Amino acid sequence: KAGVTQTPRYLIKTRGQQVTLSCSPISGHRSVSWYQQTPGQGLQFLFEYFSETQRNKGNFPGRFSGRQFSNSRSEMNVSTLELGDSALYLCASSLVAAGRNEKLFFGSGTQLSVL
Amino acid sequence: TQLLEQSPQFLSIQEGENLTVYCNSSSVFSSLQWYRQEPGEGPVLLVTVVTGGEVKKLKRLTFQFGDARKDSSLHITAAQTGDTGLYLCAPAAGNKLTFGGGTRVLVKP
Repeated sequence: KAGVTQTPRYLIKTRGQQVTLSCSPISGHRSVSWYQQTPGQGLQFLFEYFSETQRNKGNFPGRFSGRQFSNSRSEMNVSTLELGDSALYLCASSLVAAGRNEKLFFGSGTQLSVL
Repeated sequence: TQLLEQSPQFLSIQEGENLTVYCNSSSVFSSLQWYRQEPGEGPVLLVTVVTGGEVKKLKRLTFQFGDARKDSSLHITAAQTGDTGLYLCAPAAGNKLTFGGGTRVLVKP
């Protein structure tokens, strides 16, 4: 079956703009988690959505937001982009709500560059 | 605040050599996952360990969960170039995974 699909693969924006990233989970998976990966900070948890509800949220400013649709597809939005938002944004899906033994399936990510 | 440390940060070895990477924390975990991430891709789950003292083997990879469930190690025997990647540990506390900074492994032919 198809894996987790993230679009676009690469994105270049300028400071102050906003951006929307998309994630299509594996068919049947109801949980989608978003992570930001940078060389300096590693993989940091942004938020998790399960059945269209935000279940968990990481320590990121309110400029970072997300949502999940009834078909489990998810989007994340970053408003008023800053240079420090340049990162690889990864989406992961799981069958049920992400937890201690739940297997996460990651997409290939969206590489965002803010100029 | 939970401190999670992976060591070493970078490891470069020749094909055929053995290597061990570590994941240490000040906190007790209910379980721990290991992922490998290859360049340009997302992480892929290798194993989940749940019980203190547990040892799991996946072909040439051996994973160990510390007795106190505060640390874990990954040992690779006779490394191959295909083992090159970023190895991430992800302990679970409650219903959230936290990823370590990772160990970047380069296996040279």
